[in-house]
Amino acid sequence: KAGVTQTPRYLIKTRGQQVTLSCSPISGHRSVSWYQQTPGQGLQFLFEYFSETQRNKGNFPGRFSGRQFSNSRSEMNVSTLELGDSALYLCASRKLALSRGLTDTQYFGPGTRLTVL
Amino acid sequence: SQELEQSPQSLIVQEGKNLTINCTSSKTLYGLYWYKQKYGEGLIFLMMLQKGGEEKSHEKITAKLDEKKQQSSLHITASQPSHAGIYLCGAHLRGGGATNKLIFGTGTLLAVQP
Repeated sequence: KAGVTQTPRYLIKTRGQQVTLSCSPISGHRSVSWYQQTPGQGLQFLFEYFSETQRNKGNFPGRFSGRQFSNSRSEMNVSTLELGDSALYLCASRKLALSRGLTDTQYFGPGTRLTVL
Repeated sequence: SQELEQSPQSLIVQEGKNLTINCTSSKTLYGLYWYKQKYGEGLIFLMMLQKGGEEKSHEKITAKLDEKKQQSSLHITASQPSHAGIYLCGAHLRGGGATNKLIFGTGTLLAVQP
């Protein structure tokens, strides 16, 4: 079974530009969560999508947005990039909603390394 | 302050030695995960614990959950260079809503000297 895939793996952008990152979850997984990882803040939750609906959002500015498609693939978009947006962006997928219990687990992709110059 | 505290922050051990990493929550846990990360890469799932007193093992890694203390420990027996990396604990917190959001600890950097 293929794991979580993320594209692209590396991105270099300049301040003010926008960027779109893509995540394909494990087949059959309906939940996709996005995290930002930086040396200073560690792993921070961005948002979660389940069946095309955003179910939770972390404490990030409105420049960070996302969406999920009917095939469960997800994209996140960052507009008007700032230097501080340089980070490793990780996507995780899970089969079920947490309300169904802890019968399955959350798997992470390899990440997209975004560098803002 | 961090909702999940990990200790130690870093650890250097000689190959063959045992080690323990701790993860303590300031809030009630609902599911505790351990992941391993190579620098700059994704998280590799190790184990998930959900019940107090639960203990799971995979190869030479054992994780335990103490629900009363809101604490989990990860123990590696006879460490090998392949165990080197960053160990992260993540958890769903009770009252966090019915979403899959995970809160993560700050991570423990493990180096194993041959």
